[in-house]
Formats: sequence, C-alpha cells, structure tokens
Amino acid sequence: DTGVSQDPRHKITKRGQNVTFRCDPISEHNRLYWYRQTLGQGPEFLTYFQNEAQLEKSRLLSDRFSAERPKGSFSTLEIQRTEQGDSAMYLCASSYRGSGIGNYGYTFGSGTRLTVV
Amino acid sequence: AQSVTQPDIHITVSEGASLELRCNYSYGATPYLFWYVQSPGQGLQLLLKYFSGDTLVQGIKGFEAEFKRSQSSFNLRKPSVHWSDAAEYFCAVGGTYNTGTASKLTFGTGTRLQVTL
Repeated sequence: DTGVSQDPRHKITKRGQNVTFRCDPISEHNRLYWYRQTLGQGPEFLTYFQNEAQLEKSRLLSDRFSAERPKGSFSTLEIQRTEQGDSAMYLCASSYRGSGIGNYGYTFGSGTRLTVV
Repeated sequence: AQSVTQPDIHITVSEGASLELRCNYSYGATPYLFWYVQSPGQGLQLLLKYFSGDTLVQGIKGFEAEFKRSQSSFNLRKPSVHWSDAAEYFCAVGGTYNTGTASKLTFGTGTRLQVTL
C-alpha cells in the first residue's frame, strides 16, 4: 500500500489556463475527498465521492471547478480559466466506509501546490 | 454548522518540555475528532482520532488527546517534546457516531509549534 498519491506535486500556470490534478487513493478505499488549503489556513472541504458517485460539493466549488471519479478508483480535479485566487494546495484524501458503524483510514496525500501567475 | 477553534496560532516550547495544544469544537452531537500534523510543503499526517469509547486517545509519536464532552474540547498533549515535533498541527471534526460516518472534515486554522533547543 503506497498511500494516497497526487500528481503533479507542483503546478505553475498562467491566469486563464486550465489545469487538471490527479489523485490515486488507497486501493481498498471507497471514499475520495478533495480539499483546498491556502497559506496560513486549515484545509477546506471541496467535494467527495463514494465509489464513482459525487455525494457532496461545497459552495467553494465554483462552476470553474469539476471533479470526476469515473471508475470509482482515481479522481481528477479540473480548474478552468484559472484565477490568481485559485493558488493553493489541493489535497486529496481517501477512506473506507463500510456497512458497519465507522469510517476508517481517513488518509491524506501530499497535495498539489498550484501557483497561478 | 460545525466549527473548530484552535485559539493558539503559535506556540514555542523548549525541547523536553510538555505540550498541550487546545481545540474546541461546535457540533450538534458527539463528533468524530482528529488531530493531524503538517510539515512545511507536505500533506497531513494523522496523529490520532476519536470515534467513541475511552475519552483518552493514544496516537503516534507519543501524542495523546482527551475528549471532554462538557467542554467541547479535544486537546492534544505530549509529555516531552522533541525538536522534530516542530510543525503545524490541525484539529478537525467530521460526522458523528450516530450517523456512523465521518465524511467531510472541518479543520481549525492550525497551531504552529516551534521547539527551541
């Protein structure tokens, strides 16, 4: 088990360009989450999936943001027409939600740092 | 809405001294509670979590936390701090035992720990 992997680790893009990030969760985890963290702040929830279904989206997720998890495994987060305010660390996490009580192994990846210039 | 308050933005302790980081939460029921640590430019590492049962929770790296329902607190402690503990510490709350799941996490703004030799 290699943990939660995110790619790329760093991304510098010009304002107005589109960017896409990838997250590979822990293989047996059925839930996948995206968070955004700006400097000096704690992570803020963006959205999460259970298998391939997107169950919740934060109001922070504007219409320029879209997330997918087509086969219930890896996920992508796309930002269209990037703005300087999108500069942040984008964190992915995964967990396992079973039939019983509990949600286990809420594990974060190392994040993708986006800089919009 | 759930919220987390970490009243100390920055704490400095001497190596070998004891440590307590404060965390207060606001939630409608007994929530799932987490402490994470983040080194500069890195993702979040789980130190410990509380779901139910014993209110004193042991974690990795010699950390422990105590859930106090009456005070809505989940303070993190370590009896003897090492220089390698210098990092940012985040408290988070998510879901409730009654709902049987921790989906999105709400984080505090973090406490930066500095360790002097």
